[in-house]
Formats: sequence, structure tokens, C-alpha cells
Amino acid sequence: SQKIEQNSEALNIQEGKTATLTCNYTNYSPAYLQWYRQDPGRGPVFLLLIRENEKEKRKERLKVTFDTTLKQSLFHITASQPADSATYLCARHGSGNTGKLIFGQGTTLQVKP
Amino acid sequence: DVKVTQSSRYLVKRTGEKVFLECVQDMDHENMFWYRQDPGLGLRLIYFSYDVKMKEKGDIPEGYSVSREKKERFSLILESASTNQTSMYLCASSLLGVDYGYTFGSGTRLTVV
Repeated sequence: SQKIEQNSEALNIQEGKTATLTCNYTNYSPAYLQWYRQDPGRGPVFLLLIRENEKEKRKERLKVTFDTTLKQSLFHITASQPADSATYLCARHGSGNTGKLIFGQGTTLQVKP
Repeated sequence: DVKVTQSSRYLVKRTGEKVFLECVQDMDHENMFWYRQDPGLGLRLIYFSYDVKMKEKGDIPEGYSVSREKKERFSLILESASTNQTSMYLCASSLLGVDYGYTFGSGTRLTVV
């Protein structure tokens, strides 16, 4: 079965540094990977979708890469701010074309001032 | 501002009660989903629907049922609530297909006593 694995340990960094979060997947490469942000007690918020053939995608201070050889996606936040502190979830689709997502457990990022 | 609205933020129910969780979206999305989220287990899919009156089991459907009588509304039903169904329940919607992100509701924190 397809799996998504994220580092369950929290990531603590200093304000202004670049945060890098890792998402690894098993079995066949998905055509798309998605990243979400979740704040405590709230629903996840969609951030970015990257296609298999895009390799890299940017949105403001966010950058996502997709490496099908390593079966890995990296999520970068440049010039991090305390407001970036949250849990970040990676997701892939399961089989079929119904849009059903399989989520990783998320990595909690703490940006310290 | 497009949104997914869940009827309750917090709910306390007794063991054995029948519980209804309501979700409404205003984006004309075909897909709707119910997930539960528990510490250490991440987001797990309960049921999803890709059309009115259509439903598909997710990974953990036992003890739950769903109803989708109208495109904008997707209800999750706990037939006889049990304490192991205490959880955060998240509803989401998306356009049909694999290259669209989900829009999540704010979640319902259900406690079964």
C-alpha cells in the first residue's frame, strides 16, 4: 500500500533561517504531491501542489521539490518567521482517480524569535 | 470567501447515542471527505463521496455511516457512539480529479463519555 512518511520529531529553528521539511513515499511515484499547513485545533490549509514533472515549485517564501529517484519531496520556508510555526502535512493520492488523499503524520515546525 | 462549514466546533455525547456531524461547502465541489485525526495516528479517511448519493468507504469506516443527499452537504453519522470515537473530525471538499487541493473545515472536537 502507498505510504507517506514525515519526520515526527519537531523541527526547531531560529527566525530568519530556512526550514526544510522532508516527505518520503513508498511504492510507485504519485503524479502529484500536496503540502498543507495545520495550526493547533484547526483544519489543514492547502499550500502547494507539485506535479511529478515539475521538480520544483515556488510560492512566495515557500519552495517544494519532488525527486522521483529518491521518492522524496522537500518543503522549504525561507526567511522563516515565528508566524510560520505550525504542523506541515504532506499528502499523496491513493489509487484511482477519485482524489482521495493519504496524509503523512506531519512535522511540527517551531520558529523561535 | 469560499468555505467548508462544520456545524459544531465542540460536541460532548454519551456512549450509545446516535451522533450527526454536518458539513456544508459552498464551492460546488464534487468530492467531499470525512477524516478523523488522532495524536500519533494522523489523518485517517472514514468515508468519501464524489457525487450526490454516492459514497465510498475509506480506511476506517467501521462504526460510521454517511449521507449525501445534496451536493453541498455531507453528513457523518455515528450509529452508536463509543468512547474510542472521541476524536477531532475534519470534513473536506475538492474538485473532482487528482490535481486539486482540499479545502478543510475547522473541525469538530467530539468527546464521547
